[in-house]
Amino acid sequence: GAVVSQHPSWVICKSGTSVKIECRSLDFQATTMFWYRQFPKQSLMLMATSNEGSKATYEQGVEKDKFLINHASLTLSTLTVTSAHPEDSSFYICSARAASGRKVGEQFFGPGTRLTVL
Amino acid sequence: QKEVEQNSGPLSVPEGAIASLNCTYSDRGSQSFFWYRQYSGKSPELIMSIYSNGDKEDGRFTAQLNKASQYVSLLIRDSQPSDSATYLCAVNGGRNTGKLIFGQGTTLQVKP
Repeated sequence: GAVVSQHPSWVICKSGTSVKIECRSLDFQATTMFWYRQFPKQSLMLMATSNEGSKATYEQGVEKDKFLINHASLTLSTLTVTSAHPEDSSFYICSARAASGRKVGEQFFGPGTRLTVL
Repeated sequence: QKEVEQNSGPLSVPEGAIASLNCTYSDRGSQSFFWYRQYSGKSPELIMSIYSNGDKEDGRFTAQLNKASQYVSLLIRDSQPSDSATYLCAVNGGRNTGKLIFGQGTTLQVKP
């Protein structure tokens, strides 16, 4: 139980294009999902908190107009990197917080999406 | 002072030994504590959660929490080379936000 999927697992795009990443909780409901970014040999950096049915809460320094987050249902959140540039190349990881059940309150990570912007 | 602190390591132990990973946190109001394992190039995997003082055991893993000392640790018994990874300590940021504050992680190397 507590499986979180992400799609795509990797993407290569040209500078200036937009990339959408999906995060799904497959076997539990998640009222809250989180989006992280991780650069090589660094720790996770929280970008934003995504709440079902409401606007995302962004961490300081994260541009909300560049990183668009939509949490349309209890099992799906999407992150769109708009007008991507090479400096946006990173490992993007989502996590979902179990809203109920035996693992309520625990956070489970998706496998991550490796974005390379040329 | 960082909110969650870990020794970055690497911590090197021989196969079969006990690996001890430590973490301190600054927010006394923290209620939930987690240990994640992250292999290189992969996303973190939850291995232990602990909410009350004392020890919690799950297989070869034991989490220990001491809220008075603001200290949480992870013991790995009978360490295996496959345990070699970065271990991330995470603390709930409080205020029921669900946000986790992560430490920088400790790299563990288990030598055959």
